[in-house]
Amino acid sequence: GAVVSQHPSRVICKSGTSVKIECRSLDFQATTMFWYRQFPKQSLMLMATSNEGSKATYEQGVEKDKFLINHASLTLSTLTVTSAHPEDSSFYICSASPGAKEYGYTFGSGTRLTVV
Amino acid sequence: AQKITQTQPGMFVQEKEAVTLDCTYDTSDPSYGLFWYKQPSSGEMIFLIYQGSYDQQNATEGRYSLNFQKARKSANLVISASQLGDSAMYFCAMREWGFGNEKLTFGTGTRLTIIP
Repeated sequence: GAVVSQHPSRVICKSGTSVKIECRSLDFQATTMFWYRQFPKQSLMLMATSNEGSKATYEQGVEKDKFLINHASLTLSTLTVTSAHPEDSSFYICSASPGAKEYGYTFGSGTRLTVV
Repeated sequence: AQKITQTQPGMFVQEKEAVTLDCTYDTSDPSYGLFWYKQPSSGEMIFLIYQGSYDQQNATEGRYSLNFQKARKSANLVISASQLGDSAMYFCAMREWGFGNEKLTFGTGTRLTIIP
């Protein structure tokens, strides 16, 4: 089945540094990928839609300059949290659709970011 | 306004009993898709079942079935013969294509606990 690989699974960084999270579709091409943020015991909040070869579409309230998204190829999208602060600590998860409706969307395993 | 509403924050069900998780949605798009995902404590998102807005029959996948009532805008998940491994968070999600942008948004989730 379709697989989305997300790395790293856990990262701890110092306040003020930047962190890059990668999301790869391993056996299919994804022109669109989605980035979500999930706080403990809460739902997945859509942050942005990543489009291959063009600018990402950000949801209202999401800072574009803080959460940089790059979708340079059909199999890779990256989310960079710039100048991270403790309030950016969260679970970040990406997803992509292989295209067939019955597959739904395949999700990465998520990245737990802790900013200290 | 909430696009996806899940009114049951938590449910406790005896093992082997059937359980219904509620989901209502709001959209003006004539074409949309409805999904249910399971999220165990590990954080991964597991696709369970899909219902397209034009599908005439309710979707079924093994022990999972979706009670789709289009006029009521509801898409309840039914799990038959519940098992201890069904204990997890369950999210209802909707795919829309507003203004040419594909988007998958989630409800707040229901935490299901199966009691032995």
